[in-house]
Amino acid sequence: GMTQSPLSLSVTPGQPASFSCRSSQSLVSSDGVTYLSWFHQRPGQSPRRLIYQISNRDSGVPDRFSGSGSGSEFTLTISRVEAEDVGVYYCLQALPWPKTFGQGTKLEIK
Amino acid sequence: DEQLLESGGGLVQPGGSLRLSCEASGFTFSNSAMNWVRLAPGKGLEWVSTISGSDYSTYYADSVRGRFTISRDNSKNTLILQMNNLRADDTAIYYCVRHWGFEFWGQGTQVTVSS
Repeated sequence: GMTQSPLSLSVTPGQPASFSCRSSQSLVSSDGVTYLSWFHQRPGQSPRRLIYQISNRDSGVPDRFSGSGSGSEFTLTISRVEAEDVGVYYCLQALPWPKTFGQGTKLEIK
Repeated sequence: DEQLLESGGGLVQPGGSLRLSCEASGFTFSNSAMNWVRLAPGKGLEWVSTISGSDYSTYYADSVRGRFTISRDNSKNTLILQMNNLRADDTAIYYCVRHWGFEFWGQGTQVTVSS
């Protein structure tokens, strides 16, 4: 499975935030690609994908968001948190099957 | 612009059935794998099911296999989730999601299973 930590985080605007995601197995697929993504869900909204294949930002995602890691350990970093970043952050293992989300990290803005 | 519009949610008794629909627009539906993902109260996101765009291969989470059926009608740009033998722990917001990598999400439809 996928284990995220911490489960909650409280950050002052302008400060960095870091989210960890660990898999119980290597996520490197037979094609050499690691299908690890990050999503953000604001209260009352649908989730939005931020990062795919460990470190690729989706269109429109601010460059203060970055993803890193390899194998079974991954990190999402926000370089300078803003008020709009509030919500829950999930990692996703898209392959191998079954697709599995981490339990989420709730970000609170101080 | 790309849009995914879910419908069909509601209140149903345990053991009952519901049929969710997702109407897609703004992209080539027939080329896209499609998914259902749910968010239960107080829980995290859970992948439910996927159907490929080409050969209609289907995939299910263990928690719904044998009770839920995913299908699609490419002529109507519509994704379907038939849910049978519903249980209280199926209560959730159900999201329609485009692409193997969950690239774009609909707004969701609420399913409540309760007597």
